[in-house]
Amino acid sequence: AQKVTQAQTEISVVEKEDVTLDCVYETRDTTYYLFWYKQPPSGELVFLIRRNSFDEQNEISGRYSWNFQKSTSSFNFTITASQVVDSAVYFCALSEVKGAQKLVFGQGTRLTINP
Amino acid sequence: GAGVSQSPSNKVTEKGKDVELRCDPISGHTALYWYRQSLGQGLEFLIYFQGNSAPDKSGLPSDRFSAERTGGSVSTLTIQRTQQEDSAVYLCASSLVALRDSYEQYFGPGTRLTVT
Repeated sequence: AQKVTQAQTEISVVEKEDVTLDCVYETRDTTYYLFWYKQPPSGELVFLIRRNSFDEQNEISGRYSWNFQKSTSSFNFTITASQVVDSAVYFCALSEVKGAQKLVFGQGTRLTINP
Repeated sequence: GAGVSQSPSNKVTEKGKDVELRCDPISGHTALYWYRQSLGQGLEFLIYFQGNSAPDKSGLPSDRFSAERTGGSVSTLTIQRTQQEDSAVYLCASSLVALRDSYEQYFGPGTRLTVT
């Protein structure tokens, strides 16, 4: 069975600090997808990134970066120089590559950026 | 372009009544998903439609839940004889599926269902 664990329930930092959100997953599949979604106070889930398991290169997009380490089954998300607008609940998710590709979500991390 | 839309945005119903929730996926997206977000269970998959294939209903919590997708586009999730534990936000997502690949799921704003 697939499982995603986000051990950090809530994180609170001051604006401009860097913050890392942890994600650990379990799967028996040899290939799979990993995702991060953002859920701002408005409630809509916003797609941030999808990573295929065979691609272990780290990715950077502006202030966001993702560190995928297959050896430790982790897919961590770092926000550099955080801003108040980054305040949201962040979900890590996992899906199979074939079939329905239904998302298995972690419990989410509530990130609060204080001015 | 237009995103995934859902209606109603909020629904309050009495225990025992039936409810219908609607989802309009992004135009051209052949895959459609329903998820449920509740305090106790987090985000969980309910059902998946892809083209004309039989839906994957493996996530439906009971036979009171059903869904259909007409004409490969709009989908309706129906909950019969609602119970208080059905209170949750119901999220719809759609994605583009190509011959050899598939793409990320885009979510709608959700329908908040409250059963009193």
